[in-house]
Amino acid sequence: GDSVTQMEGPVTLSEEAFLTINCTYTATGYPSLFWYVQYPGEGLQLLLKATKADDKGSNKGFEATYRKETTSFHLEKGSVQVSDSAVYFCALSERTGGFKTIFGAGTRLFVKA
Amino acid sequence: GAGVSQSPRYKVAKRGQDVALRCDPISGHVSLFWYQQALGQGPEFLTYFQNEAQLDKSGLPSDRFFAERPEGSVSTLKIQRTQQEDSAVYLCASSSTGGQLNYGYTFGSGTRLTVV
Repeated sequence: GDSVTQMEGPVTLSEEAFLTINCTYTATGYPSLFWYVQYPGEGLQLLLKATKADDKGSNKGFEATYRKETTSFHLEKGSVQVSDSAVYFCALSERTGGFKTIFGAGTRLFVKA
Repeated sequence: GAGVSQSPRYKVAKRGQDVALRCDPISGHVSLFWYQQALGQGPEFLTYFQNEAQLDKSGLPSDRFFAERPEGSVSTLKIQRTQQEDSAVYLCASSSTGGQLNYGYTFGSGTRLTVV
């Protein structure tokens, strides 16, 4: 079945460092891909999305490119801030075969001042 | 309302007790989803409604779990005879699109259920 694998955390960075959180997926069809973020004490929020190969999703300085050839959707940010500390979830949703979204296990990011 | 509202925020139930969790989606949102999130894990799909129709309940872990959305707005997830393994955060999400389209959800803050 479909699955999402993302790098284990926690990831600890200093402020202004470059961030990469790796995400790879397995899908039988041609899914849409997402990154969600969960700040402490809050619900999940959609951060960015991409619906077809080579699309780049971007929001709040974060970006991720849909790479069909490597089945990847890595999250990047050029300069992290303390306020980016959160748990990040990579997810996919197939266009056919059901309505569910499959989430990865999440990667916790700590950013130190 | 402005966002997806879930209540209660926290629920402690004794093993064997029945519980009901409420979700108030964004007004006019067609699609409503329930997810279960165990500690340290990503959310796992439970069930999906398009308006009042429950189109997918394949993720419900047992027949003790039941969900309804009778008027196509508010939804209730009911768990009968709760067990310790039911302890988790139950998330509700809604979306303005229906069918196979998925442009992302708006999630509520969840209900943390602890079964003792």
